[in-house]
Amino acid sequence: DGGITQSPKYLFRKEGQNVTLSCEQNLNHDAMYWYRQDPGQGLRLIYYSQIVNDFQKGDIAEGYSVSREKKESFPLTVTSAQKNPTAFYLCATKLAEISYNEQFFGPGTRLTVL
Amino acid sequence: ELKVEQNPLFLSMQEGKNYTIYCNYSTTSDRLYWYRQDPGKSLESLFVLLSNGAVKQEGRLMASLDTKARLSTLHITAAVHDLSATYFCAVDLSIPGYGGATNKLIFGTGTLLAVQP
Repeated sequence: DGGITQSPKYLFRKEGQNVTLSCEQNLNHDAMYWYRQDPGQGLRLIYYSQIVNDFQKGDIAEGYSVSREKKESFPLTVTSAQKNPTAFYLCATKLAEISYNEQFFGPGTRLTVL
Repeated sequence: ELKVEQNPLFLSMQEGKNYTIYCNYSTTSDRLYWYRQDPGKSLESLFVLLSNGAVKQEGRLMASLDTKARLSTLHITAAVHDLSATYFCAVDLSIPGYGGATNKLIFGTGTLLAVQP
């Protein structure tokens, strides 16, 4: 059953804690992305990775970190340095061989800071 | 800085009516994507527009791209309740990356469509 999975679906964090959001894909896609969505707004790019062991900052990388040790996995850590982390986080993937940039999205993780 | 603006932000329409959502962007790009998002859910790809003059249709939705005007439209024909959702356009922007260049998507703020029976 191919697709993109994100876990957990809901996550609650206390202030000062680091939390890690999981994104796994079995589509054999090369590129993976993390976006943040705030209520009533569009998506903003946090980090992206085109290949294993390489990743780049997006527009709002401060307070976040990522790793890309395997092609299938691109976890996102929300650190205590992220001052307003409550948001909906979406992971996306793209097949690098295609020339255009259509991205496919996972189901998302809703993070709430208590 | 690239800006992507959608108009209107909120649209309430009756079933059976027609309407158009507009997506304007501020820099050169010849690739644009439309996505649909249901409440609390992820994004679903609707249309991929890859050149000036591109037109795609699926059911009651039709999308077009005018790269010279930096404008894309999403036209809804004879709306039905099932079309109620938030619609996003996303512009494809080339950026430096591994191997020379890559692309990223810049999203509009979305249009919340509510189709009333």
